Amino acid sequence: DVKVTQSSRYLVKRTGEKVFLECVQDMDHENMFWYRQDPGLGLRLIYFSYDVKMKEKGDIPEGYSVSREKKERFSLILESASTNQTSMYLCASSFGTGGVLYGYTFGSGTRLTVV
Amino acid sequence: AQKVTQAQTEISVVEKEDVTLDCVYETRDTTYYLFWYKQPPSGELVFLIRRNSFDEQNEISGRYSWNFQKSTSSFNFTITASQVVDSAVYFCALSEDQAAGNKLTFGGGTRVLVKP
Repeated sequence: DVKVTQSSRYLVKRTGEKVFLECVQDMDHENMFWYRQDPGLGLRLIYFSYDVKMKEKGDIPEGYSVSREKKERFSLILESASTNQTSMYLCASSFGTGGVLYGYTFGSGTRLTVV
Repeated sequence: AQKVTQAQTEISVVEKEDVTLDCVYETRDTTYYLFWYKQPPSGELVFLIRRNSFDEQNEISGRYSWNFQKSTSSFNFTITASQVVDSAVYFCALSEDQAAGNKLTFGGGTRVLVKP
């Protein structure tokens, strides 16, 4: 089974801290995504990557950055965490060619609280 | 730009009732894909169905059915004879064929609560 693993299920950080959210997939997927989920707003795309060292901004990239040094790992970085970044963060992956046909696999999410 | 709207934020039903979730989308592409995902309390999104823009056939899978109407840009989802295990948040999503990385755009989600 394809698996997308997010390193933490729950995380509490202080305002101003640098925060790393890690995501690892084991199916050699080219595409990886970071979404943020908030009630009533659904999932909003923060960043995505379609290849190693490649990244593209999504709909709400402000306050975030990403890193993809290896194909299987996609990290989301909050340079200076703020309370409005308290949210559920979901990572996903898919094949690069025809990814939409083969589907996306999501991790279980990291619930981040910034205090 | 692509957009997905789920007007219903929460629906509460009693077990065995039918429930229909609405989804309306906007896109400029002629080729696109529509999805429904279920998010149970555990948090992980579960894929339910994918439909491409050239296939307007309705689909039934067990107690689930989907009604795709291109003329009204809608892709509605019906759960027949609902069960408590159907309680979850359901998301409709859209992917345009030309979108880099085939990224998904999600609606706001509809929380379904099925009471025994």
